[in-house]
Amino acid sequence: AQSVTQPDIHITVSEGASLELRCNYSYGATPYLFWYVQSPGQGLQLLLKYFSGDTLVQGIKGFEAEFKRSQSSFNLRKPSVHWSDAAEYFCAVGAGGGFQKLVFGTGTRLLVSP
Amino acid sequence: DAGVTQSPTHLIKTRGQHVTLRCSPISGHKSVSWYQQVLGQGPQFIFQYYEKEERGRGNFPDRFSARQFPNYSSELNVNALLLGDSALYLCASSPSGREGEVSEAFFGQGTRLTVV
Repeated sequence: AQSVTQPDIHITVSEGASLELRCNYSYGATPYLFWYVQSPGQGLQLLLKYFSGDTLVQGIKGFEAEFKRSQSSFNLRKPSVHWSDAAEYFCAVGAGGGFQKLVFGTGTRLLVSP
Repeated sequence: DAGVTQSPTHLIKTRGQHVTLRCSPISGHKSVSWYQQVLGQGPQFIFQYYEKEERGRGNFPDRFSARQFPNYSSELNVNALLLGDSALYLCASSPSGREGEVSEAFFGQGTRLTVV
């Protein structure tokens, strides 16, 4: 069965500093990987996705993520964090096989300090 | 274009009652999925519907049911509400839902259900 691990529950980053959020997945076939962001009380906004091809994918708001099959990882990065980036970030893996189902990690809450 | 819309945004129900949550997908999207997000956790998959047929079901009791209408909108029904059903219920629409295909899911703002 698919699973996603986000080992960091909370991360605090200074504004302007770089950011890396970790995500490890477990899935037997080629994974479909996603990063979503959620502001308090809101729905999920898709930041970026990986289906195939170039393992470094660019997303919205200056985010990027790198797929590393050998490490079963899909870490999210941003070179310079803005205060508005403070939110909850979720990594998810999707599987075909008859229906669409996203399996989410438990999320990482990003705090941005001045 | 309008995104995924869900109604109501908030509601409070009493244990044992029934609730119906509604979702309108993005225009042109034929696949709708429902997720439950308990406070402090990631969303958990409940159902996926594609072309009005149930295509997948998560590990939820039979008190949870859903359906999709000819216009691709969807309802999630929960019977005999328990305190533990309190959560944010998210609807997501996708452009594709055919077997073997995965596409990105676009989420609505959710319905916050509180069971007292």
